[in-house]
Amino acid sequence: EIVMTQSPATLSVSPGERVILSCRASQSINSKLAWYQQKPGQAPRLLIYGASTRATGIPARFSGSGSGTEFTLTISSLQSEDFAVYYCQSYDNWPPWTFGQGTKVEIK
Amino acid sequence: EVQLLESGGGLVQPGGSLRLSCAASGITFSRYAMYWVRLAPGKGLEWVSTIIVGGNTYYADSVKGRFTISRDDAKSTLYLQMNSLRADDTAVYYCVKDLSGVGTPDYWGQGTVVTVSS
Repeated sequence: EIVMTQSPATLSVSPGERVILSCRASQSINSKLAWYQQKPGQAPRLLIYGASTRATGIPARFSGSGSGTEFTLTISSLQSEDFAVYYCQSYDNWPPWTFGQGTKVEIK
Repeated sequence: EVQLLESGGGLVQPGGSLRLSCAASGITFSRYAMYWVRLAPGKGLEWVSTIIVGGNTYYADSVKGRFTISRDDAKSTLYLQMNSLRADDTAVYYCVKDLSGVGTPDYWGQGTVVTVSS
């Protein structure tokens, strides 16, 4: 089973800052990597799939990169509505579909 | 507009059963794989089960043999039958549509809360 590890667990950031979240897979998953955003009390929202393709309606300040085992989600200039928990997820060699443990982006 | 409306959650005693439903609209339901994903208190997202087009089913090891996923394409409805419930099944359960052609969860319902407690 593929294990997804995200870092850091929590990131304290000021609005307007650039944010980089990391995700590592225990084995190569090619580019079969998705990123989700979840705000308290809300359903998750797909941000990125295929490691770097933005989902429909996702602002350009969100970008994904990486391949193999190392991936990043970059938010170019953090907006107030971006404070949330972010999950990476592998969909290579399913089942299972495995999520990382999440990174919480909080206000500094 | 895609809508996924979960129902059937509630409070149940350990060892009990619940059946979750997810009514879909705004999509041709029969064309999509569907997922159940859960979020337990203080924890991260956990994949629970998937049913693909054609009916093949897949389960997380933590629920295998206790949960059953099914679909009624005529009613555009997804189900999750949960038996032998345990305290660690307590979570918000989300119904999720597949991103067609990609094979990953895409659009999520708002979730239904399942609490297993005596």
